Amino acid sequence: GDSVTQTEGLVTVTEGLPVKLNCTYQTTYLTIAFFWYVQYLNEAPQVLLRSSTDNKRTEHQGFHATLHKSSSSFHLQKSSAQLSDSALYYCALPDSGYNKLTFGKGTVLLVSP
Amino acid sequence: DMKVTQMPRYLIKRMGENVLLECGQDMSHETMYWYRQDPGLGLQLIYISYDVDSNSEGDIPKGYRVSRKKREHFSLILDSAKTNQTSVYFCASSLGHQDTQYFGPGTRLLVL
Repeated sequence: GDSVTQTEGLVTVTEGLPVKLNCTYQTTYLTIAFFWYVQYLNEAPQVLLRSSTDNKRTEHQGFHATLHKSSSSFHLQKSSAQLSDSALYYCALPDSGYNKLTFGKGTVLLVSP
Repeated sequence: DMKVTQMPRYLIKRMGENVLLECGQDMSHETMYWYRQDPGLGLQLIYISYDVDSNSEGDIPKGYRVSRKKREHFSLILDSAKTNQTSVYFCASSLGHQDTQYFGPGTRLLVL
C-alpha cells in the first residue's frame, strides 16, 4: 500500500539556521498532489505547501519544497528558522487505493533562541 | 470565508455514555473526514464521507459510526464510549482527495 515516511520525530534547530524536514513516499499513483501541513500548538492542521509538478520548487511562508519523483521525496526546507516555526509538520499524499490522504507520522520542529 | 466548525470544543464523558461530535462546513465540499490525533500516532482516519449518505470506513473505524444527512454537516458518534477513545478529534473537508483539506478546530474528548 501507499506510505509516507517522515524519518525524524523531532528536529531541533537554533533560530536563524537552516532546517530540513525529510519526507519520502511510496505510491502507485501516476499524477498526484503532495502536501505539507503544519499544526501549531493547540491549533488545527493547516496546509503549508501543495505541489504536483516534478522538480518544481514550491514556496510559502518562507518554506520551500521540491517534488522529486525520481527519488520519491518531498523534503521541506527553510533557510532561516524562526521561533514561530516551532510546530508539528505532516507530509501527506493521496492514497492510490482509497479516496483519502495518507499522512506521515509527523515531525515536531523546535526552534530555540 | 472558508470555515470548518466543530462542536463541542471540549467534552468530558463517563465510560459507557454515548458521544456525539458535530462538524459543519460552509464550502459545499463533497468530501468530509473524521480523524483522531494521539501523541506519537499522528492523524488517524476514522471515516470518510463522499456525500450525503455515502460514507466509508477509514483506518480505525471500530467503535465509531458517522452520519451525514446534509452536505454541510457530518457527525461522529461513539456508542458507549471507552476510555481509550480519549483523544483529540478533528473534522476536515475537501473538494476531493487530491485537494487541500480544511480542518476544524478540534474537539478534545476525555472519557473517564
